[in-house]
Amino acid sequence: SQQGEEDPQALSIQEGENATMNCSYKTSINNLQWYRQNSGRGLVHLILIRSNEREKHSGRLRVTLDTSKKSSSLLITASRAADTASYFCATVGHGDSGAGSYQLTFGKGTKLSVIP
Amino acid sequence: SAVISQKPSRDICQRGTSLTIQCQVDSQVTMMFWYRQQPGQSLTLIATANQGSEATYESGFVIDKFPISRPNLTFSTLTVSNMSPEDSSIYLCSAEGSQETQYFGPGTRLLVL
Repeated sequence: SQQGEEDPQALSIQEGENATMNCSYKTSINNLQWYRQNSGRGLVHLILIRSNEREKHSGRLRVTLDTSKKSSSLLITASRAADTASYFCATVGHGDSGAGSYQLTFGKGTKLSVIP
Repeated sequence: SAVISQKPSRDICQRGTSLTIQCQVDSQVTMMFWYRQQPGQSLTLIATANQGSEATYESGFVIDKFPISRPNLTFSTLTVSNMSPEDSSIYLCSAEGSQETQYFGPGTRLLVL
């Protein structure tokens, strides 16, 4: 079953604005990851945040994690037209080891459109 | 990072037939995964394929419908058997990356008529 629920399902912004996407999950996690999927293509890993971390940055990306609320957010600052894609959160369950530590459970995704 | 390729990139098939999708990784990996992504939807894990052992299938997916091969550390195939229109999806393979992440192939778009 799906673990994560992203909102909004779709987001349209102007180039230069910030984009925020949220993800909620249901069970305890080891880590939470964000992936990007350009239309009709494979997924690209963006950033991973572990359950004992609250915030992480990578370039224009900022991810927060609130394990008490079982939620995460992805902020893309100063968006560009090239950021247009679908964004998915994915979780690795708490206690998963071996092959299980690589098993990702994906949310439904947010479709981001950045208008030039 | 690993580069993953898939063949075919897309196909249109008749119901009742089978299609085998190939996934090639440019480096040796222990774990490979197969996902299905229905139009506009999220990814659902079909199975985990480790070299030297039987694939492990997720609930709702069975070996008779989705047989998987994993003959070596760089290659895997997924067959979609006895296809119906409900099997129309994007099929993605992935491989273990660093720190519990995954590298994904570009996907195979399948349309069953």
